Amino acid sequence: SAVISQKPSRDICQRGTSLTIQCQVDSQVTMMFWYRQQPGQSLTLIATANQGSEATYESGFVIDKFPISRPNLTFSTLTVSNMSPEDSSIYLCSVGEFQYFGPGTRLLVL
Amino acid sequence: AQSVTQLDSQVPVFEEAPVELRCNYSSSVSVYLFWYVQYPNQGLQLLLKYLSGSTLVKGINGFEAEFNKSQTSFHLRKPSVHISDTAEYFCAVSELGYAGGTSYGKLTFGQGTILTVHP
Repeated sequence: SAVISQKPSRDICQRGTSLTIQCQVDSQVTMMFWYRQQPGQSLTLIATANQGSEATYESGFVIDKFPISRPNLTFSTLTVSNMSPEDSSIYLCSVGEFQYFGPGTRLLVL
Repeated sequence: AQSVTQLDSQVPVFEEAPVELRCNYSSSVSVYLFWYVQYPNQGLQLLLKYLSGSTLVKGINGFEAEFNKSQTSFHLRKPSVHISDTAEYFCAVSELGYAGGTSYGKLTFGQGTILTVHP
């Protein structure tokens, strides 16, 4: 199984600012996924990040709002841009065929 | 497109009672099936998965699930629950894909079932 860490674990941000979330894996993986879990809701896939290519975004998510980097096979970042209170969620990265999840980043936007 | 329906949003049970959390899915292709647990203020933990083979899958913490292809169901069961099983449970489905020689799948989640175990 893969060990996944995320930074920060939680943050409180002001509207209009941006936050970059980091995801680090202890082994090389081809595919990484970013999910959002809004309060009281299930998880929704934001995008799929493949090393060396642009991320593939799901319907309802755009690169300008959620830019993603994937510089190598063990690391990825997700930026939440120009935040509003509606962006308050838990953001999780996951990897691999069996979808191991990181601990999540709890974001509150005021 | 795939979808997942968890038929119960909340399931209250007493300690040591059996429990079944229901999950139905729809997909036009072969899928992998998963159950995850999320304890309060924590991330997701994989309980069990069905990839192929035996339709009865055993997972961690005494949970098991049975894949029923004809009914497109993947219900989660435990014969005797503990207080510590109180959590939210998510059923998920993944269609198969390949990239760079590695298989992968994007997960589609159900809405979750909150299991509350009472003493």
